[in-house]
Amino acid sequence: GAVVSQHPSWVICKSGTSVKIECRSLDFQATTMFWYRQFPKQSLMLMATSNEGSKATYEQGVEKDKFLINHASLTLSTLTVTSAHPEDSSFYICSARRSPLYNEQFFGPGTRLTVL
Amino acid sequence: GEDVEQSLFLSVREGDSSVINCTYTDSSSTYLYWYKQEPGAGLQLLTYIFSNMDMKQDQRLTVLLNKKDKHLSLRIADTQTGDSAIYFCAERYNQGGKLIFGQGTELSVKP
Repeated sequence: GAVVSQHPSWVICKSGTSVKIECRSLDFQATTMFWYRQFPKQSLMLMATSNEGSKATYEQGVEKDKFLINHASLTLSTLTVTSAHPEDSSFYICSARRSPLYNEQFFGPGTRLTVL
Repeated sequence: GEDVEQSLFLSVREGDSSVINCTYTDSSSTYLYWYKQEPGAGLQLLTYIFSNMDMKQDQRLTVLLNKKDKHLSLRIADTQTGDSAIYFCAERYNQGGKLIFGQGTELSVKP
């Protein structure tokens, strides 16, 4: 149990376009989902925390108008990178947590975004 | 502030023990974690330890926590080539429960 999927697993897009990444909890309901960004050979940096039915909380330095997060249901959160530029190229990983009472976050397999 | 640090590389021979070290700064952290990441993949939770524990053992994995020094280590016994990966330690930041990750230690296991 506790499987998190992401779609797509990789995407290549042109500069200026928008890209949507989906994060789904397949066998549990997630009240909270987290979005991370990972540059090559670097650590995961938390971008935002998303609670179902409410606005996402963004970390300092993350542009909320550029990285749109929607958590419309207990099993789905989406991250939309708007007007993507080459510097947005990165590995985006989501994680999901059942509720604040639960300790563990379950991570998705990640989405590799390349912006040309 | 929030800061978790790890050494970047570790190389061991197959069958030896590996010890990966981590230091953290938030003394109010309730949980500390070890994750494994294989190339191009997401993170797999290996183990975690509650902050009021000193040690936790799970098969080949032993976690030691020195809360006074804010030092965490992961020992992998009888390291295998399949253990080659990047290992991240993370602390659960008390405010909001978010995770703060270290830079990751790349473990290379040579046959």
